[in-house]
Amino acid sequence: GQNIDQPTEMTATEGAIVQINCTYQTSGFNGLFWYQQHAGEAPTFLSYNVLDGLEEKGRFSSFLSRSKGYSYLLLKELQMKDSASYLCAVKTTDSWGKLQFGAGTQVVVTP
Amino acid sequence: DTEVTQTPKHLVMGMTNKKSLKCEQHMGHRAMYWYKQKAKKPPELMFVYSYEKLSINESVPSRFSPECPNSSLLNLHLHALQPEDSALYLCASSQDHEYNEQFFGPGTRLTVL
Repeated sequence: GQNIDQPTEMTATEGAIVQINCTYQTSGFNGLFWYQQHAGEAPTFLSYNVLDGLEEKGRFSSFLSRSKGYSYLLLKELQMKDSASYLCAVKTTDSWGKLQFGAGTQVVVTP
Repeated sequence: DTEVTQTPKHLVMGMTNKKSLKCEQHMGHRAMYWYKQKAKKPPELMFVYSYEKLSINESVPSRFSPECPNSSLLNLHLHALQPEDSALYLCASSQDHEYNEQFFGPGTRLTVL
């Protein structure tokens, strides 16, 4: 099976930067995803990493190190609307499309 | 059209009722998924359909019965549910089961009395 760990909650100020770490242990790694989920709403796709390195998309960036089983999601220039849960999810080569989600990190942005 | 739609948005049912949740996508995706999500927990996979065939059943109780009538539609039939089945039920789709990004619908908030 897979073990996916991420912090439960993080608080940051509007305009600041927050880094959400995710560590995983899995066999047959086939990609790592970050999703954003506002309370009571569906998850929305943020990023996908399958090779090592940094993927940048506007204010959000995601990094992957396969050898370390580690990823982070970097949120820059935080806005109040970024207050949400951020889910790290791993896909394996034998998972037939199954995503294994971490428990999620609740980010609270304060004025 | 780049969205997954789900109906109803909210559903309240008794333990003896039979109801169905519906999911639809018109993105030409060939893989569709049902997830269950309890409050403050991540989504848990229930079923995967690939090319309209059931590929994964994550040991879900038989009171949940999925159906994929065609490549755009996915249903979840509910019968004799328990109060602990109350949750947000999310439908998702992807290009196929090998493809990476899953698009989620807004979910059905189910309450079992």
